[in-house]
Amino acid sequence: KQEVTQIPAALSVPEGENLVLNCSFTDSAIYNLQWFRQDPGKGLTSLLLIQSSQREQTSGRLNASLDKSSGRSTLYIAASQPGDSATYLCAVRHGNYGQNFVFGPGTRLSVLP
Amino acid sequence: DAGVTQSPTHLIKTRGQQVTLRCSPKSGHDTVSWYQQALGQGPQFIFQYYEEEERQRGNFPDRFSGHQFPNYSSELNVNALLLGDSALYLCASSLDEYEQYFGPGTRLTVT
Repeated sequence: KQEVTQIPAALSVPEGENLVLNCSFTDSAIYNLQWFRQDPGKGLTSLLLIQSSQREQTSGRLNASLDKSSGRSTLYIAASQPGDSATYLCAVRHGNYGQNFVFGPGTRLSVLP
Repeated sequence: DAGVTQSPTHLIKTRGQQVTLRCSPKSGHDTVSWYQQALGQGPQFIFQYYEEEERQRGNFPDRFSGHQFPNYSSELNVNALLLGDSALYLCASSLDEYEQYFGPGTRLTVT
């Protein structure tokens, strides 16, 4: 059974800091991995999608890396802003479990002005 | 393109009642998945519909059922509601196995 964990569970940083969010998964036979952002009580916004053959993806101040062999992904946020405050979720998909996502519990980020 | 839409936004039901939630996928998408997200947790997969059939199901009881219509929209039905069914219900659409796009969710409260 695939299990996804995220560390830390919560993070509070001053504005301008660079930060790293971690995601680990137990079954490395994944199809892809996706990072999402969720504002309180809202749906999910896709940030970055990394296919199993890729090592990293970048979008603006965000960079996500994937190391399948070790079952890890990191989301790097550069020059954090108060507007980045949200919960960040990682999710993996793979053929062994069909096309659905297995989500981690999320990291709750607060960026203080 | 309106993206993935869900209705209603919020819903309050009593234990034992039945509820139907609705989802319209993003234009061009043919696959709809449903997730349940309890407060403070990550979403959990309920089931996925493709070509009007349930293609895969997560670890949820038969009280949870669904349907997909020819226009690819979908419904999630929950019977005999329990307090523990209170959650945010998320719908996601995709073109088969490609990137999933999530709707805003329906907040269900069972009292």
